[in-house]
Amino acid sequence: EMQLVESGGGLVQPGGSQRLSCAASGFTFRNSWMYWIRQVPGKGLVWVSSIDYDGSVTMYADSVKGRFTISRDNAKNTLYLQINSLRAEDTAIYFCGRVGVAGVINLWGQGTLVAVSS
Amino acid sequence: DIVMTQSPDSLAVSLGERATINCKSSQSILNSSNNKNYLGWYQQKPGQPPKLLIYWASTRESGVPDRFSGSGSGTDFTLTISSLQAEDVAVYFCQQFFNTPITFGGGTRVDIK
Repeated sequence: EMQLVESGGGLVQPGGSQRLSCAASGFTFRNSWMYWIRQVPGKGLVWVSSIDYDGSVTMYADSVKGRFTISRDNAKNTLYLQINSLRAEDTAIYFCGRVGVAGVINLWGQGTLVAVSS
Repeated sequence: DIVMTQSPDSLAVSLGERATINCKSSQSILNSSNNKNYLGWYQQKPGQPPKLLIYWASTRESGVPDRFSGSGSGTDFTLTISSLQAEDVAVYFCQQFFNTPITFGGGTRVDIK
């Protein structure tokens, strides 16, 4: 069964850091672009970052550029998101997603909640 | 950035009746080189991640019931649920993947009347 499982979320103080992980199984991870998408509970979906097959190409939303870093370890079938200088507006559920045809997300993880509060 | 605008924000439809959701992009998302519209539709049920229903504006993802259909081209798109079932209660999002950043519509909540 194809699966993505996120971990690493939690309560963080403003200005703090967190490292999110996304463990992939059931498919050939190194053949897939990957996304991080976030969602404030009850609100819409917002693209955060993308990474290509081997990590040589990365892209970020303007709102997180310079604070977030996406990476992957294909040997461990794991995607990462290092989030630094956290702000209250970064509070959200963070989903990892596998990129399918052209740019849709055909496999999603269950998400991990990052709450930024003092 | 391409802005995706969905309408209505919510709708309530009787079981077995048709539900129609609209999505409009701020610029064309039709790629003239391959004549494909770079639009996807997702369904999100409470407490769950989104699920891909349709891509290329009208191609159903494997396993998606045929009561779900997508149409439209250029800037105007529609998701239709031909005969609403109880399990279709959810929020539906459109997404453009024509260029980066990919962007989503604000969502449409579908309930049973």
